[in-house]
Amino acid sequence: DTEVTQTPKHLVMGMTNKKSLKCEQHMGHRAMYWYKQKAKKPPELMFVYSYEKLSINESVPSRFSPECPNSSLLNLHLHALQPEDSALYLCASSEGLAGDTGELFFGEGSRLTVL
Amino acid sequence: GDSVTQMEGPVTLSEEAFLTINCTYTATGYPSLFWYVQYPGEGLQLLLKATKADDKGSNKGFEATYRKETTSFHLEKGSVQVSDSAVYFCALSDRNTGNQFYFGTGTSLTVIP
Repeated sequence: DTEVTQTPKHLVMGMTNKKSLKCEQHMGHRAMYWYKQKAKKPPELMFVYSYEKLSINESVPSRFSPECPNSSLLNLHLHALQPEDSALYLCASSEGLAGDTGELFFGEGSRLTVL
Repeated sequence: GDSVTQMEGPVTLSEEAFLTINCTYTATGYPSLFWYVQYPGEGLQLLLKATKADDKGSNKGFEATYRKETTSFHLEKGSVQVSDSAVYFCALSDRNTGNQFYFGTGTSLTVIP
């Protein structure tokens, strides 16, 4: 069982909808990540939060808006998406960033379809 | 910059065959190396890792050895099962680059009975 929980598992939305993806971890990890994964491709980094502050934004369009309400929660707010944004969105966490080369723990993902 | 080069797939093997998936890396510092596995419809799971040269990671019959001299971290298993069918990603994390993760392109493995 994964210790990173993502909801919803599946989401279908229109291009004018506003929706959110949620991620939760209770491992005491201080870094949390959003990745986007297209079929048969590796995950692509979108955002990194370290100690609840945004530390990396990989030039992601503003229609994706991350939020880290506390050290256990990470949200991804979606607005005015395009069909090409359909993908598996993976949340991950790690113990920390600085000086840490530990692994990433991934959730099972939220599969998003934009119509 | 850092990168991971992974053997192209897809790979199809018969049950009980020997598996090797090649992975080489480029890094500016002393990275940690990982193999992740992704079963259909699921997220990525850590399969094994190695944090320094000559370390061997192992799990579920899979092994990989961190070879600094050849900058490689090849994944092996002596006898694959149908349940090993999945996509395998080699990855590195390098503290010299803020511990960003670099993933290989993934290798799809199908094991047939």
